[in-house]
Amino acid sequence: DAGVIQSPRHEVTEMGQEVTLRCKPISGHDYLFWYRQTMMRGLELLIYFNNNVPIDDSGMPEDRFSAKMPNASFSTLKIQPSEPRDSAVYFCASSSSSGTFNEQFFGPGTRLTVL
Amino acid sequence: GQSLEQPSEVTAVEGAIVQINCTYQTSGFYGLSWYQQHDGGAPTFLSYNALDGLEETGRFSSFLSRSDSYGYLLLQELQMKDSASYFCAVKAGGYNKLIFGAGTRLAVHP
Repeated sequence: DAGVIQSPRHEVTEMGQEVTLRCKPISGHDYLFWYRQTMMRGLELLIYFNNNVPIDDSGMPEDRFSAKMPNASFSTLKIQPSEPRDSAVYFCASSSSSGTFNEQFFGPGTRLTVL
Repeated sequence: GQSLEQPSEVTAVEGAIVQINCTYQTSGFYGLSWYQQHDGGAPTFLSYNALDGLEETGRFSSFLSRSDSYGYLLLQELQMKDSASYFCAVKAGGYNKLIFGAGTRLAVHP
């Protein structure tokens, strides 16, 4: 398996622009997670899905953030409008409820810079 | 609420043994995981403890005491490549959700 795939790997945009991050989870996994990592706040869970249904979005910082999972093989995280404080590395991870160790597999991340 | 505490930094020399502690406060505890993250990389899974005791995987071991809400990661025969950040994480609900600690930065010196 190719692992979790994220695109783009790097994104530089200007304040006020819309940003869309994409994620393809590992085939067969029924959980998908979006995290944000910064030096100040560490690794924060933003939202997660189970069988394409959002279960908990309490970590989404503001209404500017939205996430969708239209099918089992694709998810997006959108920021509109973007602000400099959104600069961070955004990770997507997936896991299987049938896994033994509750292991989450992380994608390589998208490094977002908002100028 | 849920919280995890782990040291922010640990320094050790090659060949040594280092222990990274993690204490947690949570409701509905299911298990404690450890993840490794190299600079510029993604977190990768190391271990998971659901029951009390020690789990050994090669040079790495992980311990859990549910009664003390405490666990640790033990790294033996340290190598330079072990320099990374190590995160403990708790599974505190029926879903596969994890809550991560702030991470411990391990620096291994020659």
